[in-house]
Amino acid sequence: GAVVSQHPSWVICKSGTSVKIECRSLDFQATTMFWYRQFPKQSLMLMATSNEGSKATYEQGVEKDKFLINHASLTLSTLTVTSAHPEDSSFYICSANVRSSGNTIYFGEGSWLTVV
Amino acid sequence: QKEVEQNSGPLSVPEGAIASLNCTYSDRVSQSFFWYRQYSGKSPELIMSIYSNGDKEDGRFTAQLNKASQYVSLLIRDSQPSDSATYLCAVRDSSYKLIFGSGTRLLVRP
Repeated sequence: GAVVSQHPSWVICKSGTSVKIECRSLDFQATTMFWYRQFPKQSLMLMATSNEGSKATYEQGVEKDKFLINHASLTLSTLTVTSAHPEDSSFYICSANVRSSGNTIYFGEGSWLTVV
Repeated sequence: QKEVEQNSGPLSVPEGAIASLNCTYSDRVSQSFFWYRQYSGKSPELIMSIYSNGDKEDGRFTAQLNKASQYVSLLIRDSQPSDSATYLCAVRDSSYKLIFGSGTRLLVRP
């Protein structure tokens, strides 16, 4: 069964608004979660590493003020896309490292964001 | 910059054949390697992980790793149309980040 749950599966928002995506670890605690973005027919690009109780680490070129990450508990990380624009429309996927499975990384179901 | 290279394909094989997917990586100190399968519009799902040189078999799947050549491959035996998907090679760095290749699209013809 799924070990990482993501919500919502898809969301449509108006340009200029903000949207929040949640990533939950099920039955395990995740001190670190990862957020990826995938545009159609492209590979996954790591956006940031979410660290429980501290600031997220962003990859080069990712705007930290636009993509707000909060990891307030050991089972929940959230990604908020602020002031969304149509070019932010993408598939956003979170993942977590499962220590009990040999540090295997499992992915959430992904969230489709469409900004109109 | 750490890179993971894959042929984008599509790789087309007939049903029942062996599909061979290849991947090279640039970071010589990498220790953990993964193959994920991704169906269109879905999240990646883990197929195999491999950490040591040689072969690792799991059902119809065999992962092969050659650290000296910085090469990892995935063989799918008795390919089925349901295996048609994009296969992503991923290499994990020391901070547990996964670096993905661009993926190889596999088409299994009935």
